[in-house]
Amino acid sequence: DTAVSQTPKYLVTQMGNDKSIKCEQNLGHDTMYWYKQDSKKFLKIMFSYNNKELIINETVPNRFSPKSPDKAHLNLHINSLELGDSAVYFCASSQEVASRPTGELFFGEGSRLTVL
Amino acid sequence: QQQVKQSPQSLIVQKGGISIINCAYENTAFDYFPWYQQFPGKGPALLIAIRPDVSEKKEGRFTISFNKSAKQFSLHIMDSQPGDSATYFCAAGDQTGANNLFFGTGTRLTVIP
Repeated sequence: DTAVSQTPKYLVTQMGNDKSIKCEQNLGHDTMYWYKQDSKKFLKIMFSYNNKELIINETVPNRFSPKSPDKAHLNLHINSLELGDSAVYFCASSQEVASRPTGELFFGEGSRLTVL
Repeated sequence: QQQVKQSPQSLIVQKGGISIINCAYENTAFDYFPWYQQFPGKGPALLIAIRPDVSEKKEGRFTISFNKSAKQFSLHIMDSQPGDSATYFCAAGDQTGANNLFFGTGTRLTVIP
């Protein structure tokens, strides 16, 4: 029973196209994230949502737009794709205990985006 | 600007040996330090974590050593096994009310049988 699932796992598309990646978590967590892992394996946070509210929005082009219809889902929509967007995108979730971060993120298996 | 510096970039260890990965940070507001393990084609998974009120934490073959004054922490894998071959990330976070983790650049560990 997958805790954090994201689809699609692979996405190959042309420059200029618009694409979406979906994420769902069944852990009952309040907070969800999108991370980007580049070709050098560097992991960087893009967005964080807590109970459907945006709480972290790192310096990300506004072509990237997260949407959280409910606290179990956080989707990522990317407009006008560029070559540099090629990366693995990870969705993650976490729970806070007594308003204190636990430091434990539960990651999905990633969505590898290739822009041609 | 890289908030957490990690070394080495890659590490090759014989089976049964000790693997050591080091990390350093500058931001004194950081107060929790998890380590994540990532296998190829998978997402990172929490391995072990420490808060700065202790200098060492051990879980099985994995130990975190923490030096608050030097702003450094390290992961030791004792009796390294081929199944430990993976990429390891250190991370650091603060009390912003969200798990805003800053990850190191990763260490690719290969354990040779």
